[in-house]
This record gives sequence, C-alpha cells and structure tokens, in this order.
Amino acid sequence: GQQLNQSPQSMFIQEGEDVSMNCTSSSIFNTWLWYKQDPGEGPVLLIALYKAGELTSNGRLTAQFGITRKDSFLNISASIPSDVGIYFCAGSTGNQFYFGTGTSLTVIP
Amino acid sequence: GAGVSQSPSNKVTEKGKDVELRCDPISGHTALYWYRQSLGQGLEFLIYFQGNSAPDKSGLPSDRFSAERTGGSVSTLTIQRTQQEDSAVYLCASSLAVSRGYNEQFFGPGTRLTVL
Repeated sequence: GQQLNQSPQSMFIQEGEDVSMNCTSSSIFNTWLWYKQDPGEGPVLLIALYKAGELTSNGRLTAQFGITRKDSFLNISASIPSDVGIYFCAGSTGNQFYFGTGTSLTVIP
Repeated sequence: GAGVSQSPSNKVTEKGKDVELRCDPISGHTALYWYRQSLGQGLEFLIYFQGNSAPDKSGLPSDRFSAERTGGSVSTLTIQRTQQEDSAVYLCASSLAVSRGYNEQFFGPGTRLTVL
C-alpha cells in the first residue's frame, strides 16, 4: 500500500530543544493526522488537521496542513524526556488512511 | 469512556497453527481497521470495515488472513497456518462513520504475535 515520506527517520536532541518533522505525499489528502507511539503501545492521536493551510496547536505541539494538501509538519517546542517515542503522520481521503514510516525521537536529558 | 481494546496482548504460537486476534472498538464507531506493524516499521493496512458494507480486504497479504466483524462491533482477525514472517504487532483502530474531511482513528494497544 501507499506510504508517506516522513523525515527525518530519527532524531537525537538535547532536552529543551525544538523539534521539527514532516511528511510528504504524491497524493492529496482531506485530513492529516499526527500520532505518537510509545514502546509496546498503540499510536495515540496528537493532532488532527482538516483544512489546507490550517495551523493547529496542542500544548507544545504545533502542526500544519500544507497548502498543497500533499504535506504536513509537526513541531515540538522545548522538548522534555517524555517526548521520547515514535511519531507517525497519516493522511486520509475519508475511508483510507496512509501512514508515514515514522520518526524516532530521543531526548537526551 | 472506554477506548479500543484488543486481546490477547501477547500471543506465542508454533508455525502452522491458527490464531485469532480480537478487537473491541469504541462504542458507536462504525469503522474498524486492522493494521500490521513489524519491528521498527510503519503501519501496514490489512482490512477495513464500514458499517454493513462489504469490507475492504485489499491489504490482506495472503489467503491465510481473514477477518470478520459481528454485529457491527467486535472484530476477529484470523491467521491460518501461521508462518514466522507473520510475527508482528497487530493493531486495531476504530473511527466514527466516515465524513469527508473529518475522520480520526483511535488505536488499541495491539496484539504482539510471535510465531516460533
């Protein structure tokens, strides 16, 4: 099936630094979603975006739905140790969801 | 309210045996999805149920895989004659009835399947 291009694949950052990751697709989506997955757990929804150009925040997280509807980014400000995990983007056309390959984030205290 | 639940959380089986994995979606969610996640990989779509419509089975990797959803709620994913390459985490997700542009999936904790 289709997978989105997500980058970077992994990141190692110092606590307090800001983080940015993005997803691109060759297809247009109606919805972009960002999930975080902790080891041994299912993905947890962080932010949902519904309109091209939309910028949405959830605490220290900010995500944007690209104007072309083919990309999205997620920023995490002032990272903390509990931000560690794998972040997945997902694009949806309604019935189907397509997932990125994930960004593994390590925060060094 | 209760989220998506899956059972068992872990399953170890011998090659060639059949396994059944269960998913209880969020109450009222009419859409249900099964995904497979291999170690360190993204999510691979397997099958999708929406209400009483015929399921989208386009992601099932072989005819050894099947799924059903009884009464529009609980779903069971069955893998027959398991192979070692079937070892993975199997994730279930549910969402409200699809509405164009407004659709969010909520995931269960997954079932970790190990085929020896």
